[in-house]
Amino acid sequence: NAGVMQNPRHLVRRRGQEARLRCSPMKGHSHVYWYRQLPEEGLKFMVYLQKENIIDESGMPKERFSAEFPKEGPSILRIQQVVRGDSAAYFCASSPMGGLYTEAFFGQGTRLTVV
Amino acid sequence: AQTVTQSQPEMSVQEAETVTLSCTYDTSENNYYLFWYKQPPSRQMILVIRQEAYKQQNATENRFSVNFQKAAKSFSLKISDSQLGDTAMYFCAFMKQLKGDMRFGAGTRLTVKP
Repeated sequence: NAGVMQNPRHLVRRRGQEARLRCSPMKGHSHVYWYRQLPEEGLKFMVYLQKENIIDESGMPKERFSAEFPKEGPSILRIQQVVRGDSAAYFCASSPMGGLYTEAFFGQGTRLTVV
Repeated sequence: AQTVTQSQPEMSVQEAETVTLSCTYDTSENNYYLFWYKQPPSRQMILVIRQEAYKQQNATENRFSVNFQKAAKSFSLKISDSQLGDTAMYFCAFMKQLKGDMRFGAGTRLTVKP
């Protein structure tokens, strides 16, 4: 059973470009969470999704950021018109159900660098 | 809103000795989960130990144990017989039951010295 897979591991974008980060949850997991980690800081919750639904996006910036988890395929975190401040490690986690008696399993993260 | 505070940005310990990392949290919930995650230089988030708030007994996993004080909202991690491989960032995290998103502290950088 493969773990949570994130790709790419490293992504470099110029200011103004779009960044697409992908997350394939563990097999059988239908809940996905995205976190952002700035240098020397802890992980900050961004968004919680189930298949085809956004459950909680209270941590998402209001502009330029969006996330989806379609019925088929990976979850995508999309950042439009990236700026230098978007440079961070973005982690995805998945769980089989919404937190009940379980914890989320993390991918290895995508390090986004905006130049 | 839940907040998690780790008041020790950095700590060090000699190999084979014991170290305790502190964590406090703030919540109005009664049912929740607490976790300690380890993040080595590879950046992989590795679950070290978890504690259910409804359990009075402190969780233990080999050399890792917690001191969970629910009334004080305190959740410290004790690492016994420290090993060089324990060198990493350690994050305390809170999760409300039935909701899978976790809230993390800012982390403690632990260095185990030979």
